[in-house]
Amino acid sequence: AQTVTQSQPEMSVQEAETVTLSCTYDTSENNYYLFWYKQPPSRQMILVIRQEAYKQQNATENRFSVNFQKAAKSFSLKISDSQLGDTAMYFCAFSISSGSARQLTFGSGTQLTVLP
Amino acid sequence: SQTIHQWPATLVQPVGSPLSLECTVEGTSNPNLYWYRQAAGRGLQLLFYSVGIGQISSEVPQNLSASRPQDRQFILSSKKLLLSDSGFYLCAWAKGRTGAEKLFFGSGTQLSVL
Repeated sequence: AQTVTQSQPEMSVQEAETVTLSCTYDTSENNYYLFWYKQPPSRQMILVIRQEAYKQQNATENRFSVNFQKAAKSFSLKISDSQLGDTAMYFCAFSISSGSARQLTFGSGTQLTVLP
Repeated sequence: SQTIHQWPATLVQPVGSPLSLECTVEGTSNPNLYWYRQAAGRGLQLLFYSVGIGQISSEVPQNLSASRPQDRQFILSSKKLLLSDSGFYLCAWAKGRTGAEKLFFGSGTQLSVL
């Protein structure tokens, strides 16, 4: 079974600063995908970024980037130039690549607050 | 474009009453459909998923059931609600059947069982 651990329940950052959210996971699989989802106060989950385990290059999406360390089973999210709209709960999630419709295993989340 | 509708947004029900939450997807065919529950301050727990009409997989033994009477309709039900059924319920869909697929979520239903 796969597990996803987010050890930081809450974090805060000043507007325009950079913040890194941590995520570790445990799996015996070699092919899998990792995701960061964002849940703003509206509570609608939105995909932020996705990383394929077979790719060594870290994924980036505008101000969001990841630091994927496969050997260490670590998948952190870096938010640059933080904006007030980035205030949200952030969930790390894991999914194996085999042909199963069973979807994501989520971490417990990190509540990020961007301070003006 | 594809959209997902989930209702109601908020629901307060007494213990022992029935439940029916509905989710519909528009703009796509044969989606994979999912019901997740989010307890207060916690991550998402997968309850059910469906790869086609009438095909339901249950992840967690519980007081709830799911049905998929039409291709793009997914219903979460209970005959008798328990206090422990309170939580935030999210419906989601994905196009494919591999782990790579992006999930699209509905806006959720906050269920309070009193």
